[in-house]
Amino acid sequence: AQKITQTQPGMFVQEKEAVTLDCTYDTSDPSYGLFWYKQPSSGEMIFLIYQGSYDQQNATEGRYSLNFQKARKSANLVISASQLGDSAMYFCAMREGIGGGNKLTFGTGTQLKVEL
Amino acid sequence: GAVVSQHPSWVICKSGTSVKIECRSLDFQATTMFWYRQFPKQSLMLMATSNEGSKATYEQGVEKDKFLINHASLTLSTLTVTSAHPEDSSFYICSARDRDSRGDTEAFFGQGTRLTVV
Repeated sequence: AQKITQTQPGMFVQEKEAVTLDCTYDTSDPSYGLFWYKQPSSGEMIFLIYQGSYDQQNATEGRYSLNFQKARKSANLVISASQLGDSAMYFCAMREGIGGGNKLTFGTGTQLKVEL
Repeated sequence: GAVVSQHPSWVICKSGTSVKIECRSLDFQATTMFWYRQFPKQSLMLMATSNEGSKATYEQGVEKDKFLINHASLTLSTLTVTSAHPEDSSFYICSARDRDSRGDTEAFFGQGTRLTVV
C-alpha cells in the first residue's frame, strides 16, 4: 500500500485565489510527521510546512496552512492568495516514528500552475 | 534554515566512468544524510541512508557496489556512481538532518545533481 497518496497530478489556480493540494497517508505508527515541499523546475526541494502527529493545531506558515485531519489520515496543503511564483511541483512526505535518522517517504507530487 | 550544499549541480560523463557527488552541511553537523534519486516527473525515491562513521543502509533494489556512499565526517557525505551507464542518468539529491535538532524537524535538501551518462 502507498504510504503517501497525492491524487492530483496537476492543478490550475488563478492568481490571488486559494488552492488546496490533497495528501492522504497510511501508517500504524502513532508518532509521525508530515511535510510539504515545493520543487521548482530548478530541482531544489524547498521546505514549506510541517505537522506532527501529536500537534493539536493545524500548522501555518505565512500563506501556507496544513489542514490536518487525523482520523481521515489527510494532510492537505492550502495555499492562500496564489502567486505566479507558486507554480511548481509540490510533494507531501511522511516520517514515521520520532528520530533524526528516520527517512522521509514522498508522494508522487502535484504539479501546480498559477494562471493570470 | 540550515544550508546543505551539493556539488556538482550537473555533470555529463561517459559510459563506464565513475562520478562522485558531494553533499555538505555548511552550518550544522549532520549525523545522518539521505540520498534520493528522482526520474523526470516522478517522486523522490530514497536510495540509502548515510550515517557518519558507519556503513550506509541501502534501500531494497539499490546496488551498494554501484552506488558507493561515504560519510566520513559530520559535514560531508559522498555518493559515487561507479561504472555509470545511460540508465543511471537521473537527478540525485541529498538531504541532511541537524544533529542537534529535535526529532520532528525538517531535513534540509541540497540543490541536487543532474547526471547525464552518454
